[in-house]
Amino acid sequence: GQNIDQPTEMTATEGAIVQINCTYQTSGFNGLFWYQQHAGEAPTFLSYNVLDGLEEKGRFSSFLSRSKGYSYLLLKELQMKDSASYLCAVRDGDYKLSFGAGTTVTVRA
Amino acid sequence: IAGITQAPTSQILAAGRRMTLRCTQDMRHNAMYWYRQDLGLGLRLIHYSNTAGTTGKGEVPDGYSVSRANTDDFPLTLASAVPSQTSVYFCASSDYAESPLHFGNGTRLTVT
Repeated sequence: GQNIDQPTEMTATEGAIVQINCTYQTSGFNGLFWYQQHAGEAPTFLSYNVLDGLEEKGRFSSFLSRSKGYSYLLLKELQMKDSASYLCAVRDGDYKLSFGAGTTVTVRA
Repeated sequence: IAGITQAPTSQILAAGRRMTLRCTQDMRHNAMYWYRQDLGLGLRLIHYSNTAGTTGKGEVPDGYSVSRANTDDFPLTLASAVPSQTSVYFCASSDYAESPLHFGNGTRLTVT
């Protein structure tokens, strides 16, 4: 199977920046996704990286280094509504999507 | 509103009973997936289907079966439920292999 690691929990203050790291080892690679999941809800798509570099989308940015098997999700200008679980997911050579266990981010006032 | 519909929303089931979780999408997506989500383990792929008429096994397929008779429907069947199958089950779909997954709202299943 795939091996996808991300921190279990992170806490940050409203207005601050938080970086969630994700490392992976997969058989083949066809893209890395970040999803947001609020408690009791379905995951929703945030970002997609398939080439090395930074993808920016509003307050959220995602970075990928394929050679290092590494990605991060950067959340800027944190808001209380950003308190959620953030899931790193990697699509392997067979196009199956495997998820990390998720990082729970708590935003404090 | 286009999307994925899962039914039931929640279910309590006696061990040994048969149960089918329903999933229907109206986006004409080619690929569909079933995941289970357990605390501390994240989302784990049970079965998937890249196109109507084909299915494949994911990471945790034992005890589950699926069928994909048409593009829209992808039911998940537990032939004889066991307590370890207590989980939240998410159905998802994607337009093509490279596109992001869209998730249904999930089915919370408790096997007693």
